Amino acid sequence: SQQGEEDPQALSIQEGENATMNCSYKTSINNLQWYRQNSGRGLVHLILIRSNEREKHSGRLRVTLDTSKKSSSLLITASRAADTASYFCATGNTGANSKLTFGKGITLSVRP
Amino acid sequence: GAGVSQSPSNKVTEKGKDVELRCDPISGHTALYWYRQSLGQGLEFLIYFQGNSAPDKSGLPSDRFSAERTGGSVSTLTIQRTQQEDSAVYLCASSLIRVNTEAFFGQGTRLTVV
Repeated sequence: SQQGEEDPQALSIQEGENATMNCSYKTSINNLQWYRQNSGRGLVHLILIRSNEREKHSGRLRVTLDTSKKSSSLLITASRAADTASYFCATGNTGANSKLTFGKGITLSVRP
Repeated sequence: GAGVSQSPSNKVTEKGKDVELRCDPISGHTALYWYRQSLGQGLEFLIYFQGNSAPDKSGLPSDRFSAERTGGSVSTLTIQRTQQEDSAVYLCASSLIRVNTEAFFGQGTRLTVV
């Protein structure tokens, strides 16, 4: 079953604008990760935030985590046409078997 | 190799035939995942191998699906008596066994059952 639920399902913005994508989850987590997928093939890891962290930055990416609300957001600043892709959040469980569970993804289109 | 390698890249098979999909994880990665992704959908968890522990098979959709991992490295996902609804991209990923680590994905095998 899906753990993370991304919102919105699809997002279309103009190049240069910021893109904000949200993820909600249901059970306790050890960490939350965001991935990117181009052309329906392999996913690429973007950023990981631990359950005891609230915010993390990587280049034009900013991730926040609110464990009280069981939600996370991914902000891409100054978007580029090359950012067009599907974005997925994934949660790592607590406990010994920390497998990754993915949401359904968000399709981001950045118009040149 | 430098990354996770999956083979074949594409597989077309007739309904009712068995198929084997292969995954070569990154050397030293003891955790290995299989996911399935139907067109335009999210990733459906299938199975998870973690070191020498018993695999988590909770995501396998039916007993036609099985997977093994030999020597803690290469993994094979087998689908018996394929059905058209098995058509999807099958993705393999590996990671270090410790928690708080990223997963590295292969490029997937696109399976088409005709």
